[in-house]
Amino acid sequence: DVKVTQSSRYLVKRTGEKVFLECVQDMDHENMFWYRQDPGLGLRLIYFSYDVKMKEKGDIPEGYSVSREKKERFSLILESASTNQTSMYLCASTTSAGGGTSNQPQHFGDGTRLSIL
Amino acid sequence: AQSVTQLDSHVSVSEGTPVLLRCNYSSSYSPSLFWYVQHPNKGLQLLLKYTSAATLVKGINGFEAEFKKSETSFHLTKPSAHMSDAAEYFCVVTLNAGKSTFGDGTTLTVKP
Repeated sequence: DVKVTQSSRYLVKRTGEKVFLECVQDMDHENMFWYRQDPGLGLRLIYFSYDVKMKEKGDIPEGYSVSREKKERFSLILESASTNQTSMYLCASTTSAGGGTSNQPQHFGDGTRLSIL
Repeated sequence: AQSVTQLDSHVSVSEGTPVLLRCNYSSSYSPSLFWYVQHPNKGLQLLLKYTSAATLVKGINGFEAEFKKSETSFHLTKPSAHMSDAAEYFCVVTLNAGKSTFGDGTTLTVKP
């Protein structure tokens, strides 16, 4: 079965720290995504990647960066954590098979609940 | 441009009664539409998707949705609610890679 694994379920960090969130998928998917989820705001796209070493900004990239050195792994980096980055972070992946990603569902990890103190 | 509006932030039903979660969308082109469910402390799980085939789409756990282009709607229904259906539901519209827009979510409560 399809599996997206996020390295931590809960994480507590301090302001100013550099924070790494890791995501691994075992489906050989080309496309990977990072979202943050806040109550009443749905999911907002931070960054996505459609190939190794490729990245595209989403709707709210400020304060974040990403790394994709291998196809199965997509890392989200908070360069200098701030309290307004306290949130649930969700990783997802999808395939480009079938002519495009628009009709392919995304597969999600269980999320990392990050608290910045 | 695309957008999604889930018309109810909270819906409460009694077990065994029908469920209706409403979603309207706007899109410049023919979109793909999805419904996902999220249980507490879990990621999102696909319920069903519409990709320009049949307008009535059947999903998992007895859910279905009807695509109505004239009304730009994609409402989610289930004939009989079960306690295990209590969760948050998201309507999503996707045009192309990386351009999925999520609704704000509807929390479904099922009363015994």
